[in-house]
Parts: sequence; structure tokens; C-alpha cells
Amino acid sequence: QKEVEQNSGPLSVPEGAIASLNCTYSDRGSQSFFWYRQYSGKSPELIMFIYSNGDKEDGRFTAQLNKASQYVSLLIRDSQPSDSATYLCAANSGGGADGLTFGKGTHLIIQP
Amino acid sequence: NAGVTQTPKFRILKIGQSMTLQCTQDMNHNYMYWYRQDPGMGLKLIYYSVGAGITDKGEVPNGYNVSRSTTEDFPLRLELAAPSQTSVYFCASSYSMKPGQGLYEQYFGPGTRLTVT
Repeated sequence: QKEVEQNSGPLSVPEGAIASLNCTYSDRGSQSFFWYRQYSGKSPELIMFIYSNGDKEDGRFTAQLNKASQYVSLLIRDSQPSDSATYLCAANSGGGADGLTFGKGTHLIIQP
Repeated sequence: NAGVTQTPKFRILKIGQSMTLQCTQDMNHNYMYWYRQDPGMGLKLIYYSVGAGITDKGEVPNGYNVSRSTTEDFPLRLELAAPSQTSVYFCASSYSMKPGQGLYEQYFGPGTRLTVT
């Protein structure tokens, strides 16, 4: 059974601080990892993807991958109230187009 | 580009009724997916398709059927609706961003909120 685990939160972070979201996965065959942001009542939208060990930065967002520890994280710098949402971690196992395995999501609240 | 469109947006079904959730994409993506999302949960894959005429089961296929006669359309059929099928249903399409790396960026439709009572 492929599983992706996330702390459901809520994670409360002051505005301007760094928000750190974490995710672990069970399938060592997973090749690529995705972070989606989902506002209440809306569909998920892709924030970042990563497939190599290490860090990947895009604006205020940094994704980190450690395949040995089966661990993925997302850092959001200079957090804004508009970043308040649920963040879904997803893994693509086996490299095929057969869909993603999603975690339950972490509810992030940025306090003004 | 409209992207991925889904109809209807909302639907209430009685137990035992059937319905088809429609999904259309205009991005010429080969890959299409149906997920369901229960409250406070992540998305679970119901069915997927890697091209016209090819479909396969995902994690939670029981009670559903799909077809893919064209690249654009991927309808999801619910037969004999049950309360356990109350959920939000998302259709998605994707393309390969980087062949061989398992990178398929998925574009999601707006969702269909289904209640079975």
C-alpha cells in the first residue's frame, strides 16, 4: 500500500515568518513529489514539484527532498495571509502516468 | 483555453440512482484522472486513462465506471449510488513534463460536489 503521511494541523504561523510543512512517503519506488495548495471549496493547484535529492527554490517557496529518509518538505518564506490554505503532498510512484498518491493535507493558518 | 471543465457543479442523488459526471479538457493531454476527496482527506484515485480507449482502475474503483472514447472527454459513471459515494469529485488531466522522471503536472477541474441521501 503506497502511503503519503502529513500532519493535518492546523499549523499556525505569524505573518512574515517561515512556514514549514512536512511529508513522508512509504513507497521507495516513488520518483517525483508534488506540493499542491487547496483553498476551501476549490480545486488543488500545483505549487512546486521535486524529483532530485536536495533543495529546489521558486520565489518564496523551497521544496526539499531526502530519498534516504523518504521525506519531503515545503518551506514558505515571508508567509502571507493569502498563504492560508491546505497543502497537499503527493507522490508519483514508478514513474508512470498512473496518477498520484496524496496525503491528507496540512491546514496552514497565517496569523496577521 | 478553458482547461479542465466538469459538470455538474453540484448534484443530490437518491440511493440507488445513477448519474454520469462529465469531464472535458481542451489541452490535448493524453492522461486523464478521476479522484474523489472526502472531507478533511486527501484525494484518492478512482480511475485513470493514458489515452483514448485505454482506462485502468485506481485505488477506489468500486461502484464507478469510466470510458474514454476521445482525447478530450473522460466521463465517470456512478451506478446504484450509495451514501458512501458522497464526496467531491475532481477530474484532472496531465502531460509529461520530463520523460523518464515521472513528472506529470496534473491540471484539476473545479470539482463536482455530490451528495447521496
